[in-house]
Amino acid sequence: AQSVTQLDSHVSVSEGTPVLLRCNYSSSYSPSLFWYVQHPNKGLQLLLKYTSAATLVKGINGFEAEFKKSETSFHLTKPSAHMSDAAEYFCVVRRPGGGNKLTFGTGTQLKVEL
Amino acid sequence: GAGVSQSPSNKVTEKGKDVELRCDPISGHTALYWYRQSLGQGLEFLIYFQGNSAPDKSGLPSDRFSAERTGGSVSTLTIQRTQQEDSAVYLCASSWATSTDTQYFGPGTRLTVL
Repeated sequence: AQSVTQLDSHVSVSEGTPVLLRCNYSSSYSPSLFWYVQHPNKGLQLLLKYTSAATLVKGINGFEAEFKKSETSFHLTKPSAHMSDAAEYFCVVRRPGGGNKLTFGTGTQLKVEL
Repeated sequence: GAGVSQSPSNKVTEKGKDVELRCDPISGHTALYWYRQSLGQGLEFLIYFQGNSAPDKSGLPSDRFSAERTGGSVSTLTIQRTQQEDSAVYLCASSWATSTDTQYFGPGTRLTVL
């Protein structure tokens, strides 16, 4: 079965400092992995996706993630946090067996302080 | 262009009543998904429609839940005899046809069962 584990339920950073949101996956196949962001009272928005091409994936708003097979990780990073980055972030894996069903991690709430 | 829309945005109902939640996907998207986001269970897949194929209902939690998609566009999720544990945000997403396409999410319907 495919699953993802987000290691931190809450992360707090100062504006202008780096962001690291951690995600580990479990998969018996080469997985497709995603990061989605959810701002308060807004829909989920795709930040970036990995589908077995380049292991370093660049997304929107300056975010990127690196697929590391040896560590089964897909951590999300950003060099410099902005106040507008405060939101909940979900690491997601596509389920096998047909269709495009997604399995979500439990989410990481990112807080950005002045 | 218009994104995925859902209505109502909020629904409060009494235990035992039936509710219908509506989703309008992005025009041209042939795949449509329903997910549920609740405090206890996180974000979980419910049901998936792809074109004229039979829907994948593998995520529906009980037979009180059903969904249909008329004309390959609008979808309605129906919950019969609602229970308090049905309280959650119900999210709809749509995508182009293939299994690798990005899912675009609507803002969700917040259901509260009293």
